[in-house]
Amino acid sequence: NAGVTQTPKFQVLKTGQSMTLQCAQDMNHNSMYWYRQDPGMGLRLIYYSASEGTTDKGEVPNGYNVSRLNKREFSLRLESAAPSQTSVYFCASSVGPYNTEAFFGQGTRLTVV
Amino acid sequence: AQSVSQHNHHVILSEAASLELGCNYSYGGTVNLFWYVQYPGQHLQLLLKYFSGDPLVKGIKGFEAEFIKSKFSFNLRKPSVQWSDTAEYFCAVKRANGQNFVFGPGTRLSVLP
Repeated sequence: NAGVTQTPKFQVLKTGQSMTLQCAQDMNHNSMYWYRQDPGMGLRLIYYSASEGTTDKGEVPNGYNVSRLNKREFSLRLESAAPSQTSVYFCASSVGPYNTEAFFGQGTRLTVV
Repeated sequence: AQSVSQHNHHVILSEAASLELGCNYSYGGTVNLFWYVQYPGQHLQLLLKYFSGDPLVKGIKGFEAEFIKSKFSFNLRKPSVQWSDTAEYFCAVKRANGQNFVFGPGTRLSVLP
């Protein structure tokens, strides 16, 4: 079982460049999430999708956009990367809204120079 | 806004010592509670979870946690740590009517051989 798959694993961008982080899950989960992890701050929610066709902002959405392409895929786009977006990005999924745990992908380490 | 706090930023123990990591949350309603572990360079993995019922929950690798509703706490314990427990530990909370998981800042555990 692949679980939650993220691509790429590593990326270096120049300030102002754009890129899309891909995430796919094969567990037939309804909810998907994008978090960023920064030292001493835990994981902060960027965007989430409670179900196919819906997306909502999380705690730190500025500078990001998302697309829930279908039930399996949830992508995160940086339109104009900034050094403050240097972070490790994790995609996660869960069966539904409650009484379920989140399953995480391996993460994408992004550096913006 | 809901928040999750973890008492210790960095804990250093010798092998065979007992472990207790504190976690408190601010939301007063019905919640799901989780502890995740992140080994160096890896993604988050679920250690244990509480949905309802017995407030003492057992997880993988000998970990357990106790939910004390009156104290809004969900502390993680292990009677005897091993070098392989060196990792970062995150407490997370999900509200009954909430859509996303809220994470604490994490506690780094270093176990000395």
